[in-house]
Amino acid sequence: KAGVTQTPRYLIKTRGQQVTLSCSPISGHRSVSWYQQTPGQGLQFLFEYFSETQRNKGNFPGRFSGRQFSNSRSEMNVSTLELGDSALYLCASSFNHISYNEQFFGPGTRLTVL
Amino acid sequence: KQEVTQIPAALSVPEGENLVLNCSFTDSAIYNLQWFRQDPGKGLTSLLLIQSSQREQTSGRLNASLDKSSGRSTLYIAASQPGDSATYLCAVLNQAGTALIFGKGTTLSVSS
Repeated sequence: KAGVTQTPRYLIKTRGQQVTLSCSPISGHRSVSWYQQTPGQGLQFLFEYFSETQRNKGNFPGRFSGRQFSNSRSEMNVSTLELGDSALYLCASSFNHISYNEQFFGPGTRLTVL
Repeated sequence: KQEVTQIPAALSVPEGENLVLNCSFTDSAIYNLQWFRQDPGKGLTSLLLIQSSQREQTSGRLNASLDKSSGRSTLYIAASQPGDSATYLCAVLNQAGTALIFGKGTTLSVSS
């Protein structure tokens, strides 16, 4: 059974640009959550999507947004990039929403903002 | 606001040693607690999930315990191996069941 996949694995952008990251969950999983990992703040929750609806959102500015498609694949978008957005972005999937099930993480997308 | 703390931040042990990693959380009203492993530059690998009604979980050489009343969990690694070298993260599902709250992790180095 294939695990969670994320594309691209590495991205380099400049300040002011926007970026879209993609996450394909484990087959049959309907929940996708996104996390940002930085050396200073550690892992922080961005948002969760379940059945194409955003269920929860962390404490991030509106520049961070996402969506989920009918096949459960999810995309995350960051607009007007700032240097502080440089991080490893991880997505996780679970069969049901995160209140009930174990989370399985993908390898992450390393975003560097110059 | 739920806060998760992991002590120590780093740990070095010789191969074969048994060791304990600690995780504490401030709000005992949690849904579950999960232990992860992260290799440098990689994603997270789930190790053990303990539901709030459980006291411990075991998988191979790993044993995790949960004491909700004291806000603590421990991850016990038996007979450590160099391949166990990684950062170990614990995370609790917050009271609302909406997000995993992570500790900063313990970086383990096992020397041969």
